[in-house]
Amino acid sequence: DIVMTQSPDSLAVSLGERATINCKSSQSVLYSSNNKNYLAWYQQKPGQPPKLLIYWASTRESGVPDRFSGSGSGTDFTLTISSLQAEDVAVYYCQQYYSTPLSFGQGTRLEIK
Amino acid sequence: QVQLQESGPGLVKPSQTLSLTCTVSGGSISSGSYYWSWIRQPAGKGLEWIGRIYTSGSTNYNPSLKSRVTISVDTSKNQFSLKLSSVTAADTAVYYCAREIGSGYDLFPFDYWGQGTLVTVSS
Repeated sequence: DIVMTQSPDSLAVSLGERATINCKSSQSVLYSSNNKNYLAWYQQKPGQPPKLLIYWASTRESGVPDRFSGSGSGTDFTLTISSLQAEDVAVYYCQQYYSTPLSFGQGTRLEIK
Repeated sequence: QVQLQESGPGLVKPSQTLSLTCTVSGGSISSGSYYWSWIRQPAGKGLEWIGRIYTSGSTNYNPSLKSRVTISVDTSKNQFSLKLSSVTAADTAVYYCAREIGSGYDLFPFDYWGQGTLVTVSS
């Protein structure tokens, strides 16, 4: 089973500043045949289901603001919010969909400083 | 626009079977290449994938729950269902249904989710 570990568990960033969340998988989620990383990022606000932000580690879902970006390959990944907005306060999860059982990181709570 | 909606009892007694249904609207559950999953989230905690059923009817389950889980599909009602047997308080959570597109390694992650339904296990 692939274990996903996020850091930090919580993060406080000033409005307009950059927020960076890290995610590490216990084994590679890169499929060599197509050179794609099976890593997604979700945003979850209170009382709502998670919302897909990024898939294949760096492809933004339609409608997601371009201040959200994903990077990394293999086992180490990063979600970056380039200029934090008030509406970005949420819990963020990474998820691997390389193999079953599908698995999520423990979540990173992002707050305004 | 695809929509998913969970339904089922909000309270289940310990040792009994939790049964939930996810109704899909805005598209056929059986056309195309889709995985239909159940995911749960205890209050204040993270997300746990329970299992999924493919358009063809094949299933994958989380080994941690496999002995207690059954996921099935009713194409005539455009629904898929979750049964979790021998529940305990540890199974208390918000249960979500969600969709993935594709098959094999031509796969997109969970793009549509239900709003979730809280199931409490208590006598």
